[in-house]
Amino acid sequence: GAVVSQHPSWVICKSGTSVKIECRSLDFQATTMFWYRQFPKQSLMLMATSNEGSKATYEQGVEKDKFLINHASLTLSTLTVTSAHPEDSSFYICSASGGGVTSYEQYFGPGTRLTVT
Amino acid sequence: AQKITQTQPGMFVQEKEAVTLDCTYDTSDPSYGLFWYKQPSSGEMIFLIYQGSYDQQNATEGRYSLNFQKARKSANLVISASQLGDSAMYFCAMREGGRGSTLGRLYFGRGTQLTVWP
Repeated sequence: GAVVSQHPSWVICKSGTSVKIECRSLDFQATTMFWYRQFPKQSLMLMATSNEGSKATYEQGVEKDKFLINHASLTLSTLTVTSAHPEDSSFYICSASGGGVTSYEQYFGPGTRLTVT
Repeated sequence: AQKITQTQPGMFVQEKEAVTLDCTYDTSDPSYGLFWYKQPSSGEMIFLIYQGSYDQQNATEGRYSLNFQKARKSANLVISASQLGDSAMYFCAMREGGRGSTLGRLYFGRGTQLTVWP
């Protein structure tokens, strides 16, 4: 199957700093990428949907100025957590879709565990 | 209303036995897809099985099968011959729209933690 990578796999940062998480589709062109957030023992919560070359669509309640998403190419999307605070500590997962009539699957990255101290 | 409902927070099954994980869904879109994912403690989301709303037969993938009852809006996952490595969180998800839908987003249930004991 298609491979999606995320970097870093885990990161610890100090409160007030910004953190950038990369999501890459390694062997296919991802027309759409999704960013999810997951707290321990809970389900995945969609934060935003991004299409290559256009602005991301954020879910209700997600601060677009805090969680900056850029999808500059068909293989790379980035999520930047700006001025991180301890409550932003979470597991962030991206997924990518190639779209098209034969593709129904979303391919998930391995996730990034963010800890803000 | 919840798009996906998983009513079993936890399930236990003995090794080599079969187990059914429940999932019901809610949509008014006639075209949709149903997914099951496995999430071990490492956090990665592992795709298990897919069922399209117009698929005539229940989906099967190795030891996984999806019991699709359209009228009841249920899409239960059946794992046959459970293995210790099956212990993980299992999520049911739905996407509205047909194959290749540009809508794309998945709606996830709360998950079921499956524990397989020897």
